[in-house]
Amino acid sequence: DLQLTQSPTFLFASVGDRVTITCRASQALSNNLAWYQKAPGRAPKLLIYATSTLQSGVSSRFSGSGSGTEFTLTISSLQPEDLATYYCQQLNSYPPRGFTFGPGTKVNIK
Amino acid sequence: EVQLLESGGGLGQPGGSLRLSCTVSGFSAGPYAMSWVRLTPGEGLEWVSGISATGGSRHYADSVQGRFSVSRDNSKNTLFLQMNSLRADDTAVYYCASHLGDYYEGTALSHWGQGTLVNVSS
Repeated sequence: DLQLTQSPTFLFASVGDRVTITCRASQALSNNLAWYQKAPGRAPKLLIYATSTLQSGVSSRFSGSGSGTEFTLTISSLQPEDLATYYCQQLNSYPPRGFTFGPGTKVNIK
Repeated sequence: EVQLLESGGGLGQPGGSLRLSCTVSGFSAGPYAMSWVRLTPGEGLEWVSGISATGGSRHYADSVQGRFSVSRDNSKNTLFLQMNSLRADDTAVYYCASHLGDYYEGTALSHWGQGTLVNVSS
């Protein structure tokens, strides 16, 4: 049963800070990992897919990397509009729990 | 402009049924797989169900298998989720989303609706 964990659970950072969120899988993934941003009152938004490909229209301050069981989302310079919860999702294996999401990392601005 | 608009949420009785719809505008959803994803305050995001572009393949999370059924009408650019045998833990905001490709495995969710709230309570 493939599971994802994220760290940290909560993150407090200042505008302009470099922020890194880690997603770990219980078994090795191919590169089928995506990152989403869920801001309050807004629909989830795809940021990164296939581990490191930036979705069209998304700011280049977002980047993704990783392989195997460890993946990271980096925000190079945190902006006020980045206040949100960030989720990773694996799209590798659907049985039995489906295309699981990580538990989320809530990013707060100091 | 690409828009996905969910409807059909509301108050559902335990053991009862609800049918969600998702109407797509601004692009043809026909070539793309679609999924339903739900958000609960305590559990975060949970993938619920996916359907391939043609509708020939469908899969469900264990938590809804045998109770929920996904379908689509590409002529109307609409996705559906029939929810039966509702339980209190089905309470969530339900989002429809389109995938980047014609099959749900391996392709991320590129466009999302605003969500519809389902509240299962007696």
